[in-house]
Amino acid sequence: EVQLVESGGGLVQPGRSLKLSCVASGFTFSNYGMNWIRQAPGKGLEWVAYISSGSSYIYYAETVKGRFTISRDNAKNTLYLQMTSLRSEDTALYYCARGSMDYWGQGVMVTVSS
Amino acid sequence: DIVLTQAPLSVSVTPGESASISCRSSKSLLSSKGITSLYWYLQRPGKSPQLLIYQMSNLASGVPDRFSSSGSETDFTLKISKVETEDVGVYYCGHRLEYPRTFGGGTKLELK
Repeated sequence: EVQLVESGGGLVQPGRSLKLSCVASGFTFSNYGMNWIRQAPGKGLEWVAYISSGSSYIYYAETVKGRFTISRDNAKNTLYLQMTSLRSEDTALYYCARGSMDYWGQGVMVTVSS
Repeated sequence: DIVLTQAPLSVSVTPGESASISCRSSKSLLSSKGITSLYWYLQRPGKSPQLLIYQMSNLASGVPDRFSSSGSETDFTLKISKVETEDVGVYYCGHRLEYPRTFGGGTKLELK
């Protein structure tokens, strides 16, 4: 069974940093690209970033480019999202999803507030 | 960026009846490989989104055949026949043609 489990969320002050993790199981993680997608409270879905299976290709939404860094450790079956210079508008539920977005995690909440 | 516009914002359906949701793209979603890169997702209340339809008309694994999708290069329709209680939630269209990936604003399906 494919499982994606996010962690690392919480309450953080504007301008600070936070690192999210997503542990994958039930499939060969190193064969798949991975995404981060977020959903602000009561809002729709916003794609955030993608990383290819071997980390050769990385793409970001303009809203996070230069502030967020997606990375992965295939030996640990883990996807990461390093978030810096956080803003109130980054407050959202962050999901990791397998490359074709066929499987999603349960999400982890990030709240940016003073 | 590709803009996906969904209509209606919400739909109220009697159980057992049908519902249709529209998704219009600002750009053709037909890829150079001949694949139409349009996807449908359902987000049930309090749950993560789940994939319903991939490449415009293909049912994802485990999705009942009450769901169907069709369209052209820019206009798409998700049809749900014989709506059931478990179909309640917000439906999103999305594309994978290029980066950034984008989603429609969502259509909320409720039962009468």
